[in-house]
Formats: sequence, structure tokens, C-alpha cells
Amino acid sequence: NAGVMQNPRHLVRRRGQEARLRCSPMKGHSHVYWYRQLPEEGLKFMVYLQKENIIDESGMPKERFSAEFPKEGPSILRIQQVVRGDSAAYFCASSREGGGYEQYFGPGTRLTVT
Amino acid sequence: ELKVEQNPLFLSMQEGKNYTIYCNYSTTSDRLYWYRQDPGKSLESLFVLLSNGAVKQEGRLMASLDTKARLSTLHITAAVHDLSATYFCAVDGSSGGSNYKLTFGKGTLLTVNP
Repeated sequence: NAGVMQNPRHLVRRRGQEARLRCSPMKGHSHVYWYRQLPEEGLKFMVYLQKENIIDESGMPKERFSAEFPKEGPSILRIQQVVRGDSAAYFCASSREGGGYEQYFGPGTRLTVT
Repeated sequence: ELKVEQNPLFLSMQEGKNYTIYCNYSTTSDRLYWYRQDPGKSLESLFVLLSNGAVKQEGRLMASLDTKARLSTLHITAAVHDLSATYFCAVDGSSGGSNYKLTFGKGTLLTVNP
């Protein structure tokens, strides 16, 4: 049973470019969460999605960031016009149900903005 | 806003010694998690603590939870080099109605020296 998959594992973008991060949840999981980890910090919640719905995006920056979890395919975290401050590790987690079920984390995507 | 504080943030120990990492949180919560993270890797779930007085042990690690004091401890017994990693505690936001949202401490970087 494959775990949470994320790709790419490493992504380098120049300032102003777009970054697309993908997350495939564990089989049987329909709830996806994105977290961001800045250097030497803990993870911070960004957004919680179910299939075709954004449940809570209170941790997402208001501009340039968006997330989706379509009916088919992986969840996508999209960052437009990246800036150096976006450099971080982005982790996706999934759970079988929402509301406190244990979240399983993927390997992360490490974004570097040059 | 839920706050989670860990201490110490840095811990250097000798092999064979015992030590405790502390995790304080600011509001009531249903679940407390301990994770391990190796450099450049994802989070590995160590323990999930659900109720007051809960104690769980795995190998040289033992975690406990005191919900009244809003305190969890991760005790390391007879440390070995393989335990070197960053350890995070995380709490879900159940008191605020968002029990899917994990709030992490900043992490404790543990280095075990021979």
C-alpha cells in the first residue's frame, strides 16, 4: 500500500516563475492537507481539501497561492510569481476521514527560489 | 490561537544518558502527536496520545500526556546515536472546531554523541 506521494521532490524556480507541487494521497484517503516548513521551523498548516472542495484555507497567503484537489488526479499546490521567501519544504498529508483522523505525511517538495 | 512550545530546541547528549523533551500547548486539545524528522526527510509518526495520563513506549522513547497541565513529555532512555534527529510535537485544533489542523512546535534537534 503506497504511502503519500509528492512530486517533484526538489524544485528550483527563478523569481517570478510559477511552481506546481503535486500530492497523491494514500489509497482510500480523500482528505488532503498542505503544510509549509521554513528553515529551522515547525510545519505550518496551509490548506485542507477534500475532493473538489476547499474546506479551510486559513493558512494560505492571500495572494499568489492556490490549491485544488480535483475529482480525478492529484492535489495541486500552485504558487504564482514565486519570491525568495517562498523557499521552503512543502509537505502534503492525507487522512482517511477528516475531523481528527491521523494524517500521514508525504516526503515533501523542497522549493528553492533563486 | 493555539500555540505549541517545545524545549529545549537543541539537545546534545552522550550515548547512554537519559533526557526529556517538553511540549506545552496553550488550549485544550483531543490529540497530541510526536514525530521524528531526519534531515531532508519527511515526518515519521512516533506516538499519538489521546487522553489524560496516556503513556506510550517504543524502544528507548516514552511519551506521556497531562491534559490538565497541557504538557507532554518525550523521554529518551539510554540514548544511542541512531536517535539523532529533530523531534516535533503537534496538537490538533479541536478546541477551536478545527481538529484537522495540526499546530507544530518548532522542534528539538537532538544530537547523540558517542
